[in-house]
Amino acid sequence: EIVMTQSPATLSVSPGERATLSCRASQSVSSKLAWYQQKPGQAPRLLIYGASTRAAGIPPRFSGSGSGTEFTLTISSLHSEDFAVYYCQQYDPWPVTFGGGTKVEIK
Amino acid sequence: EVQLVESGGGLIQPGGSLRLSCAASGFTVSSDYMSWVRQAPGMGLEWVSVIYTSGRTDYSDSVNGRFTISRDNSQNTVYLQMNSLRVEDTAVYYCARVQYGGSSVGVDYFDSWGQGTLVTVSS
Repeated sequence: EIVMTQSPATLSVSPGERATLSCRASQSVSSKLAWYQQKPGQAPRLLIYGASTRAAGIPPRFSGSGSGTEFTLTISSLHSEDFAVYYCQQYDPWPVTFGGGTKVEIK
Repeated sequence: EVQLVESGGGLIQPGGSLRLSCAASGFTVSSDYMSWVRQAPGMGLEWVSVIYTSGRTDYSDSVNGRFTISRDNSQNTVYLQMNSLRVEDTAVYYCARVQYGGSSVGVDYFDSWGQGTLVTVSS
């Protein structure tokens, strides 16, 4: 199965600054990649699918890019509600697998 | 509005059984693929199982042969029967609706999630 590696494990960012999160696949997943946000005690929330398509209701400060094995989630200007853990997930080939997560914390 | 509500978690001894439920509203579970995804304490996410619209099912290697996913269309509810539970099955179990994103199998990304139910396997 595909191994998804996220970096860094923790990212310290000040509100208003830009955050760049990375996700690497052990082999090509084309553009079959999703990003989720999870806050403490809550379920994950879908942010991005197809590597770059924002899910319904997701603000434009969230953007995804990449294909093949290298992907990036960018939050252009961090709001207080954006401090959370972010997971990437590939969905082709089967079975789906998730990365270990990047925690975005307040600097 | 799509809503998923899990229930049935709790403390269970190793080797025991538990059945989780996921009650859906705002859509019909038989018209979508439905999955269970789990998260061990302080850890990441792990896909567990899927039930397709056809009723066919699939499982991760870690639970295959021990867990069974099913659904009751009249109740609009999905279930996860967990047998021969192990300490390493301890996790929050989430029910999630699957969306198709162009893959060959069709179990792609998860657009709606329940709040989760905690299963603790311990003696």
